[in-house]
Amino acid sequence: AQSVAQPEDQVNVAEGNPLTVKCTYSVSGNPYLFWYVQYPNRGLQFLLKYITGDNLVKGSYGFEAEFNKSQTSFHLKKPSALVSDSALYFCAVRAPTGGFKTIFGAGTRLFVKA
Amino acid sequence: DTAVSQTPKYLVTQMGNDKSIKCEQNLGHDTMYWYKQDSKKFLKIMFSYNNKELIINETVPNRFSPKSPDKAHLNLHINSLELGDSAVYFCASSQDLGSEAFFGQGTRLTVV
Repeated sequence: AQSVAQPEDQVNVAEGNPLTVKCTYSVSGNPYLFWYVQYPNRGLQFLLKYITGDNLVKGSYGFEAEFNKSQTSFHLKKPSALVSDSALYFCAVRAPTGGFKTIFGAGTRLFVKA
Repeated sequence: DTAVSQTPKYLVTQMGNDKSIKCEQNLGHDTMYWYKQDSKKFLKIMFSYNNKELIINETVPNRFSPKSPDKAHLNLHINSLELGDSAVYFCASSQDLGSEAFFGQGTRLTVV
């Protein structure tokens, strides 16, 4: 069965410092992996995805993520955090063998302090 | 020119009522979804349609019935509303089954 784990409920980082939001997954076959961000009272916005190819994926707003097959991880990173990055971040996995059903992680709240 | 739009944005209703939420996308996508986000922000797929065909139907009470009159619309009808149905319901669409989803702004349903 597919599953996604975001082990941290909350991540705190100072503005200008690098940030990492962790995600690990379990899926049969080759995963499609996504990161989304949700601001208060808004829908989710797509940040980036990995389907195949280069393990380092670059996305919107300076975010990037690294696919690590051996560790079944897809951590979200940004070299220099902004206060405006404060939001709820969701990792999601979709497996072609699972009818393309998307499973979302529980979300990680990112606080960036000025 | 909102990409995925849902109406209404807020819905407050009494237990036992029947209500509908409408969703439209103008992105030309083939696939549409309904998700439920609970008070703890957990997000769960409810239904997925691809080219108007139901392809994912999660363990959802049969009081919930999706309807897709065409590829651009996916409505959600809920019968006999219960307190536990209170949540934010998101409509989303994607170009195909493997692509990223574009979400609407959500409908906050409160059952009293």
